[in-house]
Amino acid sequence: GAVVSQHPSRVICKSGTSVKIECRSLDFQATTMFWYRQFPKQSLMLMATSNEGSKATYEQGVEKDKFLINHASLTLSTLTVTSAHPEDSSFYICSARDWGSSSGNTIYFGEGSWLTVV
Amino acid sequence: QQPVQSPQAVILREGEDAVINCSSSKALYSVHWYRQKHGEAPVFLMILLKGGEQKGHEKISASFNEKKQQSSLYLTASQLSYSGTYFCGTELDLANTGKLIFGQGTTLQVKP
Repeated sequence: GAVVSQHPSRVICKSGTSVKIECRSLDFQATTMFWYRQFPKQSLMLMATSNEGSKATYEQGVEKDKFLINHASLTLSTLTVTSAHPEDSSFYICSARDWGSSSGNTIYFGEGSWLTVV
Repeated sequence: QQPVQSPQAVILREGEDAVINCSSSKALYSVHWYRQKHGEAPVFLMILLKGGEQKGHEKISASFNEKKQQSSLYLTASQLSYSGTYFCGTELDLANTGKLIFGQGTTLQVKP
């Protein structure tokens, strides 16, 4: 079964509204989680590092006021896309490292969330 | 900083072999390989750490040349289920705790 769970898997929102995406680590704690964005037929691009109990670290070019990240517990990080616009439509996916995994240092991804802004 | 994957795309017949390469301009701590099917999340294949080579599952294996900062993914006797886009994710430092920089991807199509 999945070790990192994302919700919702698909969401449609109106332009100008905000939408929240949740990322949960199952059966392990993750003090750090990562958020990526993937446009069609492109690679996964790192947006930000989510740190439990402290501010997120954003990659260059990613607007921190637009993409709000909250890591309220050791198993939950949320990404809120504020004032969404059609160009924000994309596949958003989170990841976390399971230090206790049998494969050693395995980084697991959530199922991803398709965001469509209309 | 983004690693470079080659080839960009490959078409195989069932049973044929393929090699996908991932090259970085920076020293690497680890390389992670994933396969992604259209509309789905990436699925972990294997991880290669500094100083080691790890075989994956089925008929998929990989190597990691630390000096050359390169990794290769080997797909032998390919099956239809191998079709998808393969990404290498590179990790520069363990202190990054899981931050991966991905290559642009290699699209693999296996035909009957």
